[in-house]
Amino acid sequence: AIQLTQSPSSLSASVGDRVTITCRASQGISSALAWYQQKPGKAPKLLIYDASSLESGVPSRFSGSGSGTDFTLTISSLQPEDFATYYCQQFNSYPHVYSFGQGTKLEIK
Amino acid sequence: QLQLQESGPGLVKPSETLSLTCTVSGGSISSSSYYWGWIRQPPGKGLEWIGSIYYSGSTYYNPSLKSRVTISVDTSKNQFSLKLSSVTAADTAVYYCARQRWYQLPDAFDIWGQGTMVTVSS
Repeated sequence: AIQLTQSPSSLSASVGDRVTITCRASQGISSALAWYQQKPGKAPKLLIYDASSLESGVPSRFSGSGSGTDFTLTISSLQPEDFATYYCQQFNSYPHVYSFGQGTKLEIK
Repeated sequence: QLQLQESGPGLVKPSETLSLTCTVSGGSISSSSYYWGWIRQPPGKGLEWIGSIYYSGSTYYNPSLKSRVTISVDTSKNQFSLKLSSVTAADTAVYYCARQRWYQLPDAFDIWGQGTMVTVSS
């Protein structure tokens, strides 16, 4: 099965900072990757799909890039409401197993 | 707008079967563009995809859980359900249901239920 490895596992940053989170797949998955944001006690929220497409209603400071095995989520200018845990998830069709990365916790410095 | 709501017992005994239902409101579960999935999250840990189902009954399961999982759909009630057998404490988690986009190929989970905590304990 395809494994996703996120880095870093945790990150401290300040409001206004530019932040990048990486997700690496154990084999190529084309652009079949999504990013989610999860706040404590809440369900995950879809931010990015198809590696680089911004979900409707998500602020434009969020962006995604990559294809194959290496992907990034970038927040261009951190806002107070962005402190949360971020997960990547892959949707490779063969086999149909939609694994998640282990998560990256973004904390206030 | 479309909403999903999980329901079911919050406490299950070891070796028994966990049963949850997800009710879809504000839209039809029989849409051709979506699968419907279950995802879980143990306390303080990450997300784990359990499985997904199409309104026709076609399913995909996580191989790590496949021997214990059954996901079914009831289009007349606009619901889909999860059964997980032979549970242990390791199955204690928040269980989420979610809508999965599927335009020729599988894609992201775009709408999620609020989640329901299930504890496995005697």
